[in-house]
Amino acid sequence: GAVVSQHPSRVICKSGTSVKIECRSLDFQATTMFWYRQFPKKSLMLMATSNEGSKATYEQGVEKDKFLINHASLTLSTLTVTSAHPEDSSFYICSARGDRALLYGYTFGSGTRLTVV
Amino acid sequence: GENVEQHPSTLSVQEGDSAVIKCTYSDSASNYFPWYKQELGKRPQLIIDIRSNVGEKKDQRIAVTLNKTAKHFSLHITETQPEDSAVYFCAATISGGYQKVTFGTGTKLQVIP
Repeated sequence: GAVVSQHPSRVICKSGTSVKIECRSLDFQATTMFWYRQFPKKSLMLMATSNEGSKATYEQGVEKDKFLINHASLTLSTLTVTSAHPEDSSFYICSARGDRALLYGYTFGSGTRLTVV
Repeated sequence: GENVEQHPSTLSVQEGDSAVIKCTYSDSASNYFPWYKQELGKRPQLIIDIRSNVGEKKDQRIAVTLNKTAKHFSLHITETQPEDSAVYFCAATISGGYQKVTFGTGTKLQVIP
């Protein structure tokens, strides 16, 4: 139980374009979703926390207008990287918690490798 | 906010030996401490967790200890195997509500056959 699906797993886009990443909880209702960014050989850096139906809370230093987060339902959150640049290339991963948080902790999606060329 | 420190950053052990990874946290309100294993290019997988109302938890070859007074917790892997090689992250959070998780910096464990 407590499966989180994330798509796409890999994406290559041109500089200046936007990319949308989806995170879905498949068998539970995700009241809260977290979006992380991970650089090679580094830890997970929290970008923002999103609660269903409300605006996301961004961590200090994360541009709200660049990383648009939408959590419109209890099973879906999206991260849109707008006007992507090469420095946005990274591994993005979501995590969800919900009614099974006490049993399964924070369940991670499979991650998205974004490469901006 | 919470700050989690993790040591060592890299750890090499011979197959069959034990591995210990240590973490400290700063927020005394934190009461849930999960440990994750992440293989290259893959998602972190929860391997064990501990809550502040217990001092130790064991699951086969993996154990975690927690010292609330000192605000530190450790991961112990016994009889290490090559498939244990990965990056391990500790984390701390307040269970329930919308509390975010703070991760340690990670430990790259290499088990040498």
